[in-house]
Amino acid sequence: AQTVTQSQPEMSVQEAETVTLSCTYDTSESDYYLFWYKQPPSRQMILVIRQEAYKQQNATENRFSVNFQKAAKSFSLKISDSQLGDAAMYFCAYRSAGLVGGNEKLTFGTGTRLTIIP
Amino acid sequence: EPEVTQTPSHQVTQMGQEVILRCVPISNHLYFYWYRQILGQKVEFLVSFYNNEISEKSEIFDDQFSVERPDGSNFTLKIRSTKLEDSAMYFCASSVDSSGRAGETQYFGPGTRLLVL
Repeated sequence: AQTVTQSQPEMSVQEAETVTLSCTYDTSESDYYLFWYKQPPSRQMILVIRQEAYKQQNATENRFSVNFQKAAKSFSLKISDSQLGDAAMYFCAYRSAGLVGGNEKLTFGTGTRLTIIP
Repeated sequence: EPEVTQTPSHQVTQMGQEVILRCVPISNHLYFYWYRQILGQKVEFLVSFYNNEISEKSEIFDDQFSVERPDGSNFTLKIRSTKLEDSAMYFCASSVDSSGRAGETQYFGPGTRLLVL
């Protein structure tokens, strides 16, 4: 079974600075997807970014980027120019590629609570 | 932008009562999921559903739980006889539109906060 580990229960960063959240995972599969979801105080799960394991290029979405190290099974999230609205719980998640269009479940890490200091 | 919706947003029930949590997935998505998150803990998979049948379920999803898609738009989770430990946030998610454009990303609803007293 796959496992996802987030070793930083809490992180804080000054507004406008850059912060990196860590995530490692364990799998024997070669094809899979990785995600970062954000959960603000409203507790809604919002997709931040996703990465396909077969792609060497790191995914980027505006101020959010990932450092995907497949051999090391590491998938960190970098938030640049941190804003007050970035304060939330961030979850790393793994999904097997499975069949094309398949319905594989997400396996989540325990989350990192990010605080933005004004 | 299409989104997953869930009702109710909050539900309080007495132990032993039945509850039905409702979800409307993104239209033309084909795969549906329920997850739960006990307060302060990580999100856990409950069940996945495709083509009107359960594809996979976790050990949490015992005989007290059931899912159905009664009318082609709603996707429901029923808990037959609630227990105190069922208190949690329940998330519905959907993925993959018929053209494959949504890829494998699961889009989550806002959740239903269930409190069992």
